[in-house]
Amino acid sequence: DAKTTQPPSMDCAEGRAANLPCNHSTISGNEYVYWYRQIHSQGPQYIIHGLKNNETNEMASLIITEDRKSSTLILPHATLRDTAVYYCIVRIKTSYDKVIFGPGTSLSVIP
Amino acid sequence: DAGVIQSPRHEVTEMGQEVTLRCKPISGHNSLFWYRQTMMRGLELLIYFNNNVPIDDSGMPEDRFSAKMPNASFSTLKIQPSEPRDSAVYFCASTLTGPDTQYFGPGTRLTVL
Repeated sequence: DAKTTQPPSMDCAEGRAANLPCNHSTISGNEYVYWYRQIHSQGPQYIIHGLKNNETNEMASLIITEDRKSSTLILPHATLRDTAVYYCIVRIKTSYDKVIFGPGTSLSVIP
Repeated sequence: DAGVIQSPRHEVTEMGQEVTLRCKPISGHNSLFWYRQTMMRGLELLIYFNNNVPIDDSGMPEDRFSAKMPNASFSTLKIQPSEPRDSAVYFCASTLTGPDTQYFGPGTRLTVL
């Protein structure tokens, strides 16, 4: 699986959009981009995933660049409950869903 | 659905004792994963099963660790003998093979004194 690079920490004002970047310059054509988050003391939670098109669900939007070497997770209106560590992962959707988590980005939403 | 269930939620034991962590995956899921999380090493994959068969145990730190999945609805992670450096939060996750996402349990916080 390709490696990812994320900033270790970010702040965001409550109510504003949080934009979390991820670099995955060695991503291969059949690898998807996944985002998970982990709120303190809880297990990681799936947010969204995509291959090359932008994706949106009730939690967030995922913007993937045309060359697929980077992506951005957007939380459109961040709340205090969005304070968490966000993990960007790239992986092949093979028969076995092995997921490798990096250090992630610690997002702090500030009142 | 109740989600992934783990027990116990907290475990405190003394060095040298055997520890058994338990996981019940989401009904219908056929892949199960055990992770360990520490401040120093982050979230590490220990082992994963597909259709109750261990597929990759390369993340298991040493022979003191063993995992079993006797049926589709139950898995255990055993540490024998336990050591203080095993202190961590242990997560279990499950998914359907192929589709998108892993669902994580609430974790077991293990403290070995």
